[in-house]
Amino acid sequence: QKEVEQDPGPLSVPEGAIVSLNCTYSNSAFQYFMWYRQYSRKGPELLMYTYSSGNKEDGRFTAQVDKSSKYISLFIRDSQPSDSATYLCAIFNNDMRFGAGTRLTVKP
Amino acid sequence: SQTIHQWPATLVQPVGSPLSLECTVEGTSNPNLYWYRQAAGRGLQLLFYSVGIGQISSEVPQNLSASRPQDRQFILSSKKLLLSDSGFYLCAWRTGINQPQHFGDGTRLSIL
Repeated sequence: QKEVEQDPGPLSVPEGAIVSLNCTYSNSAFQYFMWYRQYSRKGPELLMYTYSSGNKEDGRFTAQVDKSSKYISLFIRDSQPSDSATYLCAIFNNDMRFGAGTRLTVKP
Repeated sequence: SQTIHQWPATLVQPVGSPLSLECTVEGTSNPNLYWYRQAAGRGLQLLFYSVGIGQISSEVPQNLSASRPQDRQFILSSKKLLLSDSGFYLCAWRTGINQPQHFGDGTRLSIL
């Protein structure tokens, strides 16, 4: 079993939709959780960073962590075509582990 | 503010040729530095990391090597490239053990 599982998609939604991206992880020792956004031919860009269970909101983005279920989510409200990218979840304690990424397309 | 630079952005090399990719970080001192390879649909594979000048840890046996000649400089090298070395190479840094990593824009390497 991989340490971090992420549905690779692709996921296609109409503009304005709410997007839900998810990851599960297997090792409860991981305490820090991140979401990165990666545009084509670019490096991953840090979107959200949290270390506690619950929700963290930043504009249209909400990161949700459920440590008891080992489940993390990223919600995007009012999705825009500019949100079209690959989204990677990442978890770490001393070592960092990445999901494989979910490719999202938001259609105008 | 901190910035990370990687070059070149794109590189096409023949099989058997040498390789040198460079990464530099500005605006911070003594960062932890990382080299990753990203294959389509397969996520990020950690190749090397460094916690200080001259200190290199290798995560997987391979045809590549890394060096850190200066505090904010990280170099990925190969003496003889293989076809399997093709990929998207990313450099990353972070300031501390509980801090997230920040990535450069990568080098797309094609081996012919």
